[in-house]
Amino acid sequence: ILNVEQSPQSLHVQEGDSTNFTCSFPSSNFYALHWYRWETAKSPEALFVMTLNGDEKKKGRISATLNTKEGYSYLYIKGSQPEDSATYLCAFRIPNTDKLIFGTGTRLQVFP
Amino acid sequence: EPEVTQTPSHQVTQMGQEVILRCVPISNHLYFYWYRQILGQKVEFLVSFYNNEISEKSEIFDDQFSVERPDGSNFTLKIRSTKLEDSAMYFCASRTSTDTQYFGPGTRLTVL
Repeated sequence: ILNVEQSPQSLHVQEGDSTNFTCSFPSSNFYALHWYRWETAKSPEALFVMTLNGDEKKKGRISATLNTKEGYSYLYIKGSQPEDSATYLCAFRIPNTDKLIFGTGTRLQVFP
Repeated sequence: EPEVTQTPSHQVTQMGQEVILRCVPISNHLYFYWYRQILGQKVEFLVSFYNNEISEKSEIFDDQFSVERPDGSNFTLKIRSTKLEDSAMYFCASRTSTDTQYFGPGTRLTVL
């Protein structure tokens, strides 16, 4: 059974703080790792698709790194803002299949 | 910006009734998916659809479930005889030939 874990489950930070969270996935049989940002009552928003070991991607104040050999990805948010409050989901994909296997998500709340 | 839309946003039904959840994927997309999230659990894959046929399905997707693309724009999920445990948020997603799956806002299905 392929299992994807995210930590922490939830995080409360002050506006301006930088923060990071982790997604762990099986290190064998890797194809891609997806990150999504999901605000309540909205569509999960695609942030990154990462495929290569050592990949680093950036979108504004959000960046992500990938280590496929040890099976983890980090998501960083620099200078958190209240509008960053959301659940951040990672999803793992293995070769020869189209389905995404999701983690439980990290729920981030940024207080002004 | 094009987006995946889903209707209704909330559906309440009696156990044993049939429900049809509707999705309009992004117009030039070729691959279509249904996922669901039972409250408190991970988002889980149900089915993928390409070239007018199911390309992959999970163990959850039994004979009670079916999918259809009845015209060039809609993609539907039918549950023939709903059970209490079918209560969940159902997400539709679509993509082009690239890896990113774009999600709709979900339909919350409540089975009483």
